[in-house]
Amino acid sequence: DAMVIQNPRYQVTQFGKPVTLSCSQTLNHNVMYWYQQKSSQAPKLLFHYYDKDFNNEADTPDNFQSRRPNTSFCFLDIRSPGLGDAAMYLCATSLTPGSVYETQYFGPGTRLLVL
Amino acid sequence: AQKITQTQPGMFVQEKEAVTLDCTYDTSDPSYGLFWYKQPSSGEMIFLIYQGSYDQQNATEGRYSLNFQKARKSANLVISASQLGDSAMYFCAMREGRANNLFFGTGTRLTVIP
Repeated sequence: DAMVIQNPRYQVTQFGKPVTLSCSQTLNHNVMYWYQQKSSQAPKLLFHYYDKDFNNEADTPDNFQSRRPNTSFCFLDIRSPGLGDAAMYLCATSLTPGSVYETQYFGPGTRLLVL
Repeated sequence: AQKITQTQPGMFVQEKEAVTLDCTYDTSDPSYGLFWYKQPSSGEMIFLIYQGSYDQQNATEGRYSLNFQKARKSANLVISASQLGDSAMYFCAMREGRANNLFFGTGTRLTVIP
């Protein structure tokens, strides 16, 4: 089945220690998104890639970076995690951007804990 | 102003009964899409149903239907014949015009009682 896969499902890191979260997709979608969802809150878009074009949201901290080496994979790098970065990180994909008709399909998420 | 408002933090429904989850939205863009997602405790955001601003009929997908009232800017989700597996968080979301962002509401936690 075509799907969005996130690894690991749970990640524990130490304060200030860089961490990378992984997302892959078999849907062959052009757009990949990263959302941050803190406890009991709505998901918040951090950035997205349309093919190789990176689009950062204005209020995404510089501490968060992303890489998309190919169509299938996208990585979220947190350079120096703080306690406030503990959250669920959701990866999503859509076929094309900029259309109200495009559904975003989400992976299972990675829960990040910062000690 | 909030783009998506879900006023029900929690809802309870008896198994096999129908339940309506409320969602109101705010946009000045004539072209927009409305989405409902289910998020079980495992965390995955599962797409349920979509309604476009120009769609004339209310969307339906199996036991899910969307009560779209454009003039009132509401897009309520109706779940018929509730099942225990429907217990989860439900998020209403909107996409405007050519924007890439999905704006989510704060969610409603639905609990189905046996």
